[in-house]
Amino acid sequence: KAGVTQTPRYLIKTRGQQVTLSCSPISGHRSVSWYQQTPGQGLQFLFEYFSETQRNKGNFPGRFSGRQFSNSRSEMNVSTLELGDSALYLCASSLGIRDKETQYFGPGTRLLVL
Amino acid sequence: DQQVKQNSPSLSVQEGRISILNCDYTNSMFDYFLWYKKYPAEGPTFLISISSIKDKNEDGRFTVFLNKSAKHLSLHIVPSQPGDSAVYFCAASAQLGDDMRFGAGTRLTVKP
Repeated sequence: KAGVTQTPRYLIKTRGQQVTLSCSPISGHRSVSWYQQTPGQGLQFLFEYFSETQRNKGNFPGRFSGRQFSNSRSEMNVSTLELGDSALYLCASSLGIRDKETQYFGPGTRLLVL
Repeated sequence: DQQVKQNSPSLSVQEGRISILNCDYTNSMFDYFLWYKKYPAEGPTFLISISSIKDKNEDGRFTVFLNKSAKHLSLHIVPSQPGDSAVYFCAASAQLGDDMRFGAGTRLTVKP
């Protein structure tokens, strides 16, 4: 069974630009969560989608948004990029919202903002 | 605010010895705790969990201990193996299914 895939794997943008990251969950998984990983901060929860609806949201500004499609694929968008947005963005999929023990992470998209 | 803290950014142990990774939390509402392991260029993978109704959970070489009064949990790996070298994250949530708060991670190096 294919794992969680994230595209692109690496991305370089400049301040003020916007970026869209994509996540394809494991087949059959309907929950997709997004996390930001920065040195010293660990993984910070961005949001979770289930059945195309945002179920949970972390403490991030409105520049961070996401959506989920009917095939459970999810995209995350960051507008007006800032230097501090440079991070590894991880998505994770699970069968349902409560299946955190069987939540599988993708390899991440490393974003560098110059 | 860092509600989950892993105060040791790195830990080095000898193969065969015990590795103890620590995690502290501040939110008394947290009731469910997980440990994840992360290798370079890969996403984190679930390792072991514990809920507040227990103070210990064991899975092979991995044991997690929870001290709710101290708001502290620890992961013990016995015996440690070189393949255990990775970054370990602890995570907490108020209940299963809630969004999780992660610590900053501890990089474990097991030397042969």
